[in-house]
Amino acid sequence: DTAVSQTPKYLVTQMGNDKSIKCEQNLGHDTMYWYKQDSKKFLKIMFSYNNKELIINETVPNRFSPKSPDKAHLNLHINSLELGDSAVYFCASSQDSVQPQHFGDGTRLSIL
Amino acid sequence: QKEVEQDPGPLSVPEGAIVSLNCTYSNSAFQYFMWYRQYSRKGPELLMYTYSSGNKEDGRFTAQVDKSSKYISLFIRDSQPSDSATYLCAMRGANAGKSTFGDGTTLTVKP
Repeated sequence: DTAVSQTPKYLVTQMGNDKSIKCEQNLGHDTMYWYKQDSKKFLKIMFSYNNKELIINETVPNRFSPKSPDKAHLNLHINSLELGDSAVYFCASSQDSVQPQHFGDGTRLSIL
Repeated sequence: QKEVEQDPGPLSVPEGAIVSLNCTYSNSAFQYFMWYRQYSRKGPELLMYTYSSGNKEDGRFTAQVDKSSKYISLFIRDSQPSDSATYLCAMRGANAGKSTFGDGTTLTVKP
């Protein structure tokens, strides 16, 4: 069983479109995250939720809106996609906000 | 200046070599230190998690933390081709919630 699963794995779309990425974890963790990894492999946190409550929002454009319907799910909706949004987006979870994160395999977003 | 600087690599070694991967940091509030391994087209996988200064060993892997020098290392003994991956150091403070990552070092172990 995959611990942290993301869908879709690949997303190719045009500039200006709106898209969503879904994440689910079956580890029973309380905290979930979204990270962005650019082409140079640098991982940067975007959001963190603890028990459905937003605890970290790292100056991400308002076009990005996370939603946590329950503590096992954290989705990411992106409006008006731009070329610079092309990256790999990783979902992660941790037992609480101080334990290390466990990552999904990423969603590769390409903007045409 | 970045909070976390990681030796950039890439690194190429023969099978069986000892590998040393290193990160330095500037934020003295960092208390928890992690090493992740990332294979191509996969997510980062937690290898080592340490809190205090000193060494922690797990099989062929040893994580070393020197808080006084703000320096952490990961040593891989008897390196194998299957160790070929990008290694990321990460660290965070006691209440930070988020982790700050290094840029990664790509390692290739040649048979």
